[in-house]
Amino acid sequence: ILNVEQSPQSLHVQEGDSTNFTCSFPSSNFYALHWYRWETAKSPEALFVMTLNGDEKKKGRISATLNTKEGYSYLYIKGSQPEDSATYLCAFYAGANSKLTFGKGITLSVRP
Amino acid sequence: EAQVTQNPRYLITVTGKKLTVTCSQNMNHEYMSWYRQDPGLGLRQIYYSMNVEVTDKGDVPEGYKVSRKEKRNFPLILESPSPNQTSLYFCASSPGQSNQPQHFGDGTRLSIL
Repeated sequence: ILNVEQSPQSLHVQEGDSTNFTCSFPSSNFYALHWYRWETAKSPEALFVMTLNGDEKKKGRISATLNTKEGYSYLYIKGSQPEDSATYLCAFYAGANSKLTFGKGITLSVRP
Repeated sequence: EAQVTQNPRYLITVTGKKLTVTCSQNMNHEYMSWYRQDPGLGLRQIYYSMNVEVTDKGDVPEGYKVSRKEKRNFPLILESPSPNQTSLYFCASSPGQSNQPQHFGDGTRLSIL
C-alpha cells in the first residue's frame, strides 16, 4: 500500500486568512496527482489533476503546485471564505494502470 | 445530466445476508471504482475496473466482489456481509485512468448488524 500523507489533519482559520496544505507521496513511479474537495453530506468533487513536475493550476482563489522529484504538492486557498470549509483530499497514481491511493484528507473550517 | 448513480443510498441489514450495491454512470466512462470511507482512514479503494470484463483489486478487496459486464454498470457485491463492512461507500468513474478526474456518486451508507 502506497503512503500518501496530508498535513495538517485539520485547520481552523478566520475568514480572509490564506492557508495552504501539503500532500506528500512517493516520488518514484509518479504518474498523476489529484486534488478533491469534499463538503459534508456531499460527494468529493475534483479540483485539479496534475501530471507534470512544476505544474501549477488555479481555480478562482484556490491554486496548487506539484513537485514530483521531491514528492509533494501544495494546495493554497487565498482569502478563505466560510464556503471553503470542507475536507481536501489528494490522491496519487503510481502508474497508468495502477490503483488510486488517497490521503486521509485535511479538514478546513473557516470562521466568519 | 452527467452522473454516477448509486443504489441504495442507505441500507441496514444483518450479518450474512448477501447484498448488492449498484452503480451506474451515463458518461461512457471506461474507468470505474469503488471506495469505502471510514473515520480516521480516509477513502480506501476496494476494486477498480479499467474496462468491460477487466477488474482489479484495490487496497481493501477482502469480503467484496465486483463485476463489469457492461460499460455503464459496476455493482459491488457483499456475499456474506459482516459488521466490519459497515461504512460509507462511494462509486466513481472517469473517462480514462490517471490523468482524468474521478466523478463520484452520492454515496451509500451501509450498516451491518
